[in-house]
Amino acid sequence: DAKTTQPTSMDCAEGRAANLPCNHSTISGNEYVYWYRQIHSQGPQYIIHGLKNNETNEMASLIITEDRKSSTLILPHATLRDTAVYYCIAARTGGFKTIFGAGTRLFVKA
Amino acid sequence: SAVISQKPSRDICQRGTSLTIQCQVDSQVTMMFWYRQQPGQSLTLIATANQGSEATYESGFVIDKFPISRPNLTFSTLTVSNMSPEDSSIYLCSGLLAPSTDTQYFGPGTRLTVL
Repeated sequence: DAKTTQPTSMDCAEGRAANLPCNHSTISGNEYVYWYRQIHSQGPQYIIHGLKNNETNEMASLIITEDRKSSTLILPHATLRDTAVYYCIAARTGGFKTIFGAGTRLFVKA
Repeated sequence: SAVISQKPSRDICQRGTSLTIQCQVDSQVTMMFWYRQQPGQSLTLIATANQGSEATYESGFVIDKFPISRPNLTFSTLTVSNMSPEDSSIYLCSGLLAPSTDTQYFGPGTRLTVL
């Protein structure tokens, strides 16, 4: 699986959009970009994933650059409950294991 | 979606003993995994639990230390054997939901402290 690079931590004001970047310059053609988050004392939670097109669901939007070397997870209106560690992972679909990097610790402040 | 539960939620154990952690999924999952998360760290994959056959271990983890069973599509156990304080960690199980295998669901974790 391709290695991903994320900022160690970020701050965001409550109600504002949180934009979390991820670099995955060695991603291969059959690897998707996945995002998970882990709220304190809980197991990780799936957020969204995509291959090359931008994706949106009820939780977030995923913007992938045309060359697929980087992506941005957008939480459109961050709340205090979005404070968590966010993991960006490049992995194949179809039942392959997920390897976690260090992630970005997002602090949403009132 | 799938709901994954783990037992126990936490335990305090003595050095040299073993603890078995149970993982139960409310839906059939194609694959199950076990992770370890040390304080303040990310998740480290221990092994893939294979139904009806031996688990597939990641580098640095061995069956004698972390024996795993998976007797059916919804249940797995991880045993932490001959424990030492270095085994103090959170242990999490996860599953990929059948028929879709795009989304991984995680249990709440088992917090283990070894004295």
